[in-house]
Amino acid sequence: QVQLVESGGGVVQPGRSVRLSCAASGFTFSDFGMHWVRQAPGKGLEWVALIWYDGSNKHNVESVKGRFTISRDNSKNTLYLEMSSLRVEDTAVYYCARDLRRRPAAGTGFDYWGQGTLVTVSS
Amino acid sequence: DIQMTQSPSSLSASVGDRVTITCRASQSISNYLNWYQQKPGKAPKLLIYGASTLLSGVPSRFSGSGSGTDFTLSISSLQPEDFATYYCQQSHTPPLYTFGQGTKLEMK
Repeated sequence: QVQLVESGGGVVQPGRSVRLSCAASGFTFSDFGMHWVRQAPGKGLEWVALIWYDGSNKHNVESVKGRFTISRDNSKNTLYLEMSSLRVEDTAVYYCARDLRRRPAAGTGFDYWGQGTLVTVSS
Repeated sequence: DIQMTQSPSSLSASVGDRVTITCRASQSISNYLNWYQQKPGKAPKLLIYGASTLLSGVPSRFSGSGSGTDFTLSISSLQPEDFATYYCQQSHTPPLYTFGQGTKLEMK
């Protein structure tokens, strides 16, 4: 069965960096686009970043541009989110999610999600 | 950017009730609208994509409709496991896959 397992969260000081990982299993990881979505405590969902199946195309939400980098290693079936210059407002549960397609496009959706990893940015 | 607005923000209902949740887009998104269910402490689950296509395994009591700017998620006969928060999401303008603010469905 499809499984996505995030790790790497914790408490981090403002301005510091952290790398999240998402280990995928139960499907051919290299056949699907992937996303990171976050949810601040008690708040709604916010799409953060996407990457195509082969890593050739990536996009971030404006609020994290220049600070967050999405990447993947298809040989390790793992998705990453490198987060730098962290701000208090980045505090959230970060979910990785699988896209319905290889190349996320109009009309797609996110059909499998991990359980999330909490990143708390605090001094 | 396209804004997604759900109504109501919260809703109280009883087992067996029929409920409808509305999602409105700030501009036309054709039928590029998805619905997710999220239970407390859990990840979201995709229920419907393309406004009306149920994902495999989703009970048939769930249905979606709409196009353009106005969409609805209906649950024909509420079951205890349906009490959750529901989010709409537009996929019309990738890569900005905007979510609505959520509708919390609570037991009356």
